[in-house]
Amino acid sequence: DQQVKQNSPSLSVQEGRISILNCDYTNSMFDYFLWYKKYPAEGPTFLISISSIKDKNEDGRFTVFLNKSAKHLSLHIVPSQPGDSAVYFCAASASDKLIFGTGTRLQVFP
Amino acid sequence: GAGVSQSPSNKVTEKGKDVELRCDPISGHTALYWYRQSLGQGLEFLIYFQGNSAPDKSGLPSDRFSAERTGGSVSTLTIQRTQQEDSAVYLCASSHGRPWNTEAFFGQGTRLTVV
Repeated sequence: DQQVKQNSPSLSVQEGRISILNCDYTNSMFDYFLWYKKYPAEGPTFLISISSIKDKNEDGRFTVFLNKSAKHLSLHIVPSQPGDSAVYFCAASASDKLIFGTGTRLQVFP
Repeated sequence: GAGVSQSPSNKVTEKGKDVELRCDPISGHTALYWYRQSLGQGLEFLIYFQGNSAPDKSGLPSDRFSAERTGGSVSTLTIQRTQQEDSAVYLCASSHGRPWNTEAFFGQGTRLTVV
């Protein structure tokens, strides 16, 4: 039972354009959501988070949107840069355990 | 240390042997997590520690897997009688603990290959 789903395994975007990564969840008890970025041979690094009491959180080029009624969150990267090429994981928690999605590989090309 | 440290970084072992993976969390972090990532898969939760106790062991795949944490710091994940399907990258993360409104910091992982 995959409680956190990232249905797009990969995404290719041109440099300077917007990247939109999507994530769906099934557990309505999740109250905190995070995005992590992972480069090859490295551990995931925290990118941005959002509490369930908010619907938007912005940090520089990164914005996370939460639609609780649809149980959907998305990460927007504007403008996309080649250095953003990595695997992006969304994660959700209801208490102390983080449940991760399967990841989306983003490739930003010149 | 400055970050989460895992050792070894790579481990090749023969099927049927036992392996022990180590995680040194960030000093002062009370919560410690083990995840694994198999080839082409997402991050699979294994176990969570709060201090030295493990309130959630639900992710351990079988009784061949065990983990302990001593002194609220270092944790070891032990896999007995390794199987080829155990091959994966094992990731450790630590955080300040409840609630999950502070990010978890991950180590670089241990790549385990069972031949």
